[in-house]
Amino acid sequence: ELQLLESGGGLVQPGGSLRLSCRTSGFTFTRYAVSWVRQAPGKGLEWVSGMSGSGGATYYADSVKGRFTISRDSPKNTLYLQMNSLRGEDTAIYYCAKIRGPTIVPLFDYWGQGTLVTVSS
Amino acid sequence: DIQMTQSPSTLSASVGDRVTITCRASQSISPWLAWYQQRPGTAPKLLIYKASTLEDEVPSRFSGSGSGTEFTLTISSLQPDDFATYYCQQYDSFSSTFGQGTKVEVK
Repeated sequence: ELQLLESGGGLVQPGGSLRLSCRTSGFTFTRYAVSWVRQAPGKGLEWVSGMSGSGGATYYADSVKGRFTISRDSPKNTLYLQMNSLRGEDTAIYYCAKIRGPTIVPLFDYWGQGTLVTVSS
Repeated sequence: DIQMTQSPSTLSASVGDRVTITCRASQSISPWLAWYQQRPGTAPKLLIYKASTLEDEVPSRFSGSGSGTEFTLTISSLQPDDFATYYCQQYDSFSSTFGQGTKVEVK
């Protein structure tokens, strides 16, 4: 069964850092791109960052560029999101989502359950 | 960035109703448009991609149409499970954007 399981969320002060993890199973991790998508409380969806299946390409939304870094550990089938210089507007549920098909096109067919990040003093 | 605008923001309907949601893009994205359903407290679920292609195991009462900058999601006969929020998404570029959502609520 294909699964994505996020962890690492929590309460952090403005300016602080947090690292999210997305442990995957049930598909060939190095063949499919995976992205992070977030949802502020009561708001819509915002694509945040993505990494190609090969790991050779990374992409970021303008709102997080220079503050967030996406990476992965292929033997562990795990994707990470290192979040630095956090702001109140980064407060959201962070989902990892698998891209449909062996492309980089951000169409998401499987999602994790999400992990909540709260940035507050 | 490509802006996506959905209408209406909220839609009140009854079981059995035909429901239509519209999504407009700020520039042509054809056919790279998807629709997702999100029930409260759960992750989004892919319903339709490439504007009109139904994802596997999605009921046939859901359909999508449109091209260029204007797209619609139609539910032919609303079922109890369909009360949820629906999002359109353009994936014409890797900097993907979503609409603000349409909540389908009980009338």
